[in-house]
Amino acid sequence: AQSVTQPDIHITVSEGASLELRCNYSYGATPYLFWYVQSPGQGLQLLLKYFSGDTLVQGIKGFEAEFKRSQSSFNLRKPSVHWSDAAEYFCAVGAALTGGGNKLTFGTGTQLKVEL
Amino acid sequence: KAGVTQTPRYLIKTRGQQVTLSCSPISGHRSVSWYQQTPGQGLQFLFEYFSETQRNKGNFPGRFSGRQFSNSRSEMNVSTLELGDSALYLCASSLSAVSSTDTQYFGPGTRLTVL
Repeated sequence: AQSVTQPDIHITVSEGASLELRCNYSYGATPYLFWYVQSPGQGLQLLLKYFSGDTLVQGIKGFEAEFKRSQSSFNLRKPSVHWSDAAEYFCAVGAALTGGGNKLTFGTGTQLKVEL
Repeated sequence: KAGVTQTPRYLIKTRGQQVTLSCSPISGHRSVSWYQQTPGQGLQFLFEYFSETQRNKGNFPGRFSGRQFSNSRSEMNVSTLELGDSALYLCASSLSAVSSTDTQYFGPGTRLTVL
């Protein structure tokens, strides 16, 4: 069964500093990987996704992520964090299901705090 | 194009009652999935519907059920509510979910509180 680990529960960075959120996955086949962001009381917004091809993927809001198969990782990065980036970030792996369709398995999330 | 909408946004119920939540997917999307989010268990897959059929179900008791209508709108129902059912219920839609690469787009969620 697939699983996702986000080792950091909380991260605090200063505005303008760089950011890296870690994500490790376990999946038997080619993984389909996603990063979502959730603001308080809101649903999940897709930041970026990786299916195949270039291992460095660009997303919205200046985020990028790098897929490293050898390390089973899909870390999210941003060169310069803005105060509005404070939110909870979820890494997820998508898996095909026997009856068709797919489901997402999420990590436990990383809460990002931005200090002004 | 309008996003995924969920109604109501907030609900308060008491133990033993039942509740119905509604989800309208993005226009043209035919697959609807439901997830439960709690502080203790995180985000967990409930079930997924496609063409009015439940294709997949997560590891939840039979008190949790759902359906999908011909216009792809979906409802989920929880009967005999328990305190532990308090959660944010998220609906996600995708085009067909035939492929693992289908991206799921989430609604704002329904916050259910069971007293």
